[in-house]
Amino acid sequence: DGGITQSPKYLFRKEGQNVTLSCEQNLNHDAMYWYRQDPGQGLRLIYYSQIVNDFQKGDIAEGYSVSREKKESFPLTVTSAQKNPTAFYLCASSMTAGGLSGELFFGEGSRLTVL
Amino acid sequence: SQKIEQNSEALNIQEGKTATLTCNYTNYSPAYLQWYRQDPGRGPVFLLLIRENEKEKRKERLKVTFDTTLKQSLFHITASQPADSATYLCALDIYSWGKFQFGAGTQVVVTP
Repeated sequence: DGGITQSPKYLFRKEGQNVTLSCEQNLNHDAMYWYRQDPGQGLRLIYYSQIVNDFQKGDIAEGYSVSREKKESFPLTVTSAQKNPTAFYLCASSMTAGGLSGELFFGEGSRLTVL
Repeated sequence: SQKIEQNSEALNIQEGKTATLTCNYTNYSPAYLQWYRQDPGRGPVFLLLIRENEKEKRKERLKVTFDTTLKQSLFHITASQPADSATYLCALDIYSWGKFQFGAGTQVVVTP
């Protein structure tokens, strides 16, 4: 079945540690996205990538890093510089960036808790 | 920057009635607007897309309108069912650059 797979589903981190969230898609989509969701708030864009080896900062990129070495993979690293990392993280993809084929397909999310 | 507003209060509705949700945005009008459904602890699922030159779009019991003059979209669930209980999000892609922005969502609770 085609889709987006995020792992791990739950992750606990000690303060000062970097953690990497995995996102893999087999939909052959060009664009991939990372969002953060906090209770009672909308999804906030962290990073997005329209093509392999290229990515742009979203609205809240500070304390995060990404890479896009393969079309199907877009891992997100939450660094120790992120002051409030406890949140629900969602990865998404779309066929192309923008345009009328811009429907987003989401993974099931990764819930990160800082101890 | 673009601001997207959705009703923050949960919408409680009786089964069989029509639920109407509002999405208002400021500043620039997007080329199209999308609606998603999100269940607790899950990723959002795409429901409908409406373009700026379309006034209305329907899919089964769902209907979306888009008024670029009012900068507003309305989302209707007709003949609502308890299974429709979820949070509904609207999303805009400013200038079609692929940079989607989401509203905070409105929770809908349908009681039998």
